[in-house]
Amino acid sequence: AQSVAQPEDQVNVAEGNPLTVKCTYSVSGNPYLFWYVQYPNRGLQFLLKYITGDNLVKGSYGFEAEFNKSQTSFHLKKPSALVSDSALYFCAVRPTGGGQNFVFGPGTRLSVLP
Amino acid sequence: DAGVTQSPTHLIKTRGQQVTLRCSPKSGHDTVSWYQQALGQGPQFIFQYYEEEERQRGNFPDRFSGHQFPNYSSELNVNALLLGDSALYLCASSPTGGQPQHFGDGTRLSIL
Repeated sequence: AQSVAQPEDQVNVAEGNPLTVKCTYSVSGNPYLFWYVQYPNRGLQFLLKYITGDNLVKGSYGFEAEFNKSQTSFHLKKPSALVSDSALYFCAVRPTGGGQNFVFGPGTRLSVLP
Repeated sequence: DAGVTQSPTHLIKTRGQQVTLRCSPKSGHDTVSWYQQALGQGPQFIFQYYEEEERQRGNFPDRFSGHQFPNYSSELNVNALLLGDSALYLCASSPTGGQPQHFGDGTRLSIL
């Protein structure tokens, strides 16, 4: 069965510092991987995706993610955090073999401190 | 270009009642998926509709049912509501075979 783990419930970082939100996955075959962000009382906003190709994926709002097949990881990164980046971040994997439904991780709450 | 829209935004029901939630997909999208997001958790897949048929279903009981209309909009119906059904219900749409899914802001359902 496919699964996604986000080992940190909460990540705190100072504004201007680099941030990393971790994600590991378990899926058969080649995964499609995604990051979404959720602000309070809102739905999920798409940040970036990995389908195939370059292991470093660039997305919205200066975020990027690195796909590491050997470590089955897809960590989200940003070189310089903003207070406005504070939100809930979800990693998701699209299982191979049919359908377009996603399996989501439990989420990581990012707090960027001024 | 409107994104995914869901209605209502909030709903309060009592145990045993039935509820219908509605979703209009993003323009150009024909596939609609529904997710349940309990407080403090990630979204859980309920089911997906394409060409007015349920194409895939997650681990949810038959109390959860849906429908897709010819204009691609969709409804989620939940019968015999339980306290545990309290959650944010998210609708997501995507084009055929395309990625990623785009999400609406959800309907927050509270069961008293």
